[in-house]
Amino acid sequence: KAGVTQTPRYLIKTRGQQVTLSCSPISGHRSVSWYQQTPGQGLQFLFEYFSETQRNKGNFPGRFSGRQFSNSRSEMNVSTLELGDSALYLCASSLSTGEGYGYTFGSGTRLTVV
Amino acid sequence: GESVGLHLPTLSVQEGDNSIINCAYSNSASDYFIWYKQESGKGPQFIIDIRSNMDKRQGQRVTVLLNKTVKHLSLQIAATQPGDSAVYFCADHFSGTYKYIFGTGTRLKVLA
Repeated sequence: KAGVTQTPRYLIKTRGQQVTLSCSPISGHRSVSWYQQTPGQGLQFLFEYFSETQRNKGNFPGRFSGRQFSNSRSEMNVSTLELGDSALYLCASSLSTGEGYGYTFGSGTRLTVV
Repeated sequence: GESVGLHLPTLSVQEGDNSIINCAYSNSASDYFIWYKQESGKGPQFIIDIRSNMDKRQGQRVTVLLNKTVKHLSLQIAATQPGDSAVYFCADHFSGTYKYIFGTGTRLKVLA
């Protein structure tokens, strides 16, 4: 059984550019969540999707957006990149409700903004 | 506000000893807690979970204790091994939010 797949693994972008990250959940998982991880900050919740609907969004600026497709794959987009957006972006999937179940995380996408 | 904190940023233990990693949470309505392990270059790996209606749960070499009175969570690792060296996160969840609040992490170093 394949795990959560995130692509690409590494990205280097320039300030002001935009970036799209992709996440393919475990087969059968319909809930996908995104987190940003920076040194000393732990994991900060970005948003959660279930059946193509965003159910919750964290305290991030509107430059951060996401979507989920009918096959449960998800993408997140960051526009007008800033140096502070450099981080490890983690995607996690869980079973149908996404509530009260442990996530399975992918290995993340390491984004570096220069 | 919401917060899940860790008492120690780094914990060093001798191989074979038991490890205890602590975590405090602030939301008395939290109903589910998870401990994750993260190794370098990898995503967090689920270790063990516990629901708010439980005080203790045991897994293989790991035990999670929940004290709702003081809003405290701990992870005990028995007979710590070099492979246990990693960063450990606690995470806090409450129904209807579809998200988890993670602590900043504790780095566990196992000394040979």
